[in-house]
Amino acid sequence: LAKTTQPISMDSYEGQEVNITCSHNNIATNDYITWYQQFPSQGPRFIIQGYKTKVTNEVASLFIPADRKSSTLSLPRVSLSDTAVYYCLVGLGFQKLVFGTGTRLLVSP
Amino acid sequence: GAVVSQHPSRVICKSGTSVKIECRSLDFQATTMFWYRQFPKQSLMLMATSNEGSKATYEQGVEKDKFLINHASLTLSTLTVTSAHPEDSSFYICSARDYSGEDTQYFGPGTRLTVL
Repeated sequence: LAKTTQPISMDSYEGQEVNITCSHNNIATNDYITWYQQFPSQGPRFIIQGYKTKVTNEVASLFIPADRKSSTLSLPRVSLSDTAVYYCLVGLGFQKLVFGTGTRLLVSP
Repeated sequence: GAVVSQHPSRVICKSGTSVKIECRSLDFQATTMFWYRQFPKQSLMLMATSNEGSKATYEQGVEKDKFLINHASLTLSTLTVTSAHPEDSSFYICSARDYSGEDTQYFGPGTRLTVL
């Protein structure tokens, strides 16, 4: 199972764009990259998933370089409610996911 | 996205009793479900993988006789904490695999277990 590395924490202000990068040097050929958001005392919430290049949905964008050894989650114009822990995971849906430390994002006014 | 529910959302029990937690996939069928445990300020730790119609696969260090998992249907998995002790107090979260779309896992809201 690929191991991921993320910054432990990040700080931002309301209205700014936040980019969280995740390293996954040992990603397998068939692995997808998935990002989750978790608030205290709640289960992780699916944000976005991708395999290569760029994926965009209504809440975020995911940038994946050609070598797929890293990925960047981009949150446009964050608000206070985006304060949460963000996890990057690699694998397939049927595989067990190994959660790393995640990135604790704090958005201030 | 796909919806996964858990019941109860929180439970308080006395030491020595058993507690059952249900995990349901509401709008999709899940042949595979997973159970995690999360302690305060820590990341999620996988406890076991549950496949419909077969025995669960437990992670190293997780007692299968203490944490009983049953996945009797494509939409329901249950975790029973037997003879609970205060050290079993934790946040238990399930996830279910939805392979109909992006083949990813969706998580339930979690169950807070407190053992007195």
